[in-house]
Amino acid sequence: AQKVTQAQTEISVVEKEDVTLDCVYETRDTTYYLFWYKQPPSGELVFLIRRNSFDEQNEISGRYSWNFQKSTSSFNFTITASQVVDSAVYFCALSGYKKLTFGTGTRLTIIP
Amino acid sequence: DTEVTQTPKHLVMGMTNKKSLKCEQHMGHRAMYWYKQKAKKPPELMFVYSYEKLSINESVPSRFSPECPNSSLLNLHLHALQPEDSALYLCASSQTDRHSNQPQHFGDGTRLSIL
Repeated sequence: AQKVTQAQTEISVVEKEDVTLDCVYETRDTTYYLFWYKQPPSGELVFLIRRNSFDEQNEISGRYSWNFQKSTSSFNFTITASQVVDSAVYFCALSGYKKLTFGTGTRLTIIP
Repeated sequence: DTEVTQTPKHLVMGMTNKKSLKCEQHMGHRAMYWYKQKAKKPPELMFVYSYEKLSINESVPSRFSPECPNSSLLNLHLHALQPEDSALYLCASSQTDRHSNQPQHFGDGTRLSIL
C-alpha cells in the first residue's frame, strides 16, 4: 500500500523567512513519481513539480527548491524568502496505478 | 487562469433537488477525474474517465452519477444528496491515466452545500 505523510499540519513564518515543508512516502514500486501541489484559498490545486524515482537531482525554480532523498523516502519542499502570496495548503502526492495518493497537507501562513 | 473550467463555482441545493456539475478542458487530455474534498482534508478520488470510458469508480454512492459526453467535457449529476455531501468538488485532467508520471491539472472546484 502507498502512503504519504506530511507531519506538519500548520506552519506560520514571518515574511522573508525560509520555510521547509516535509514529505515522507512509502511505496513498494521501484518506479514512481512524486508531486507537489499548492492549494490557495480559491480552491484550485496548482501543480508545482514532478520528480521520478530515478532522478535524485535537487531542483530549484526561483524561490522554490525541492530535495529528493530516496534513502530516506523524503521529498521536501523549501520556499526561500517567503512572501504573503505563498500562503496556501501544500500537498505532496505519490503516483500509483491511475491514482494519486495525497498527503494530508500542510497549511502555510506567511505573516506580513 | 486555470485550463480546467468548472461551473458553477458555488451551488446550494436541497436534498430532493437534481443538479449537475460541469467540467471542461481544452488541453487535449484523455483522462478526466472527479474528486471530493472536505475541509482540511486532501482530495478523495471519486471517478476516473479514460478515453471517455469510466475507468475507476471508488465505490461512490449512486446519488452521484458521472457522465463524459466527449473528450473535453465531464459532468457530475447529483440527486437526493445528503448534508454530508457538502464539500468542494474538484475536476482534473491529465494527458492519459495509463502512465503514472502525468501530472493532473485541476479546476477551481465547485463548493457544494446541501441544505
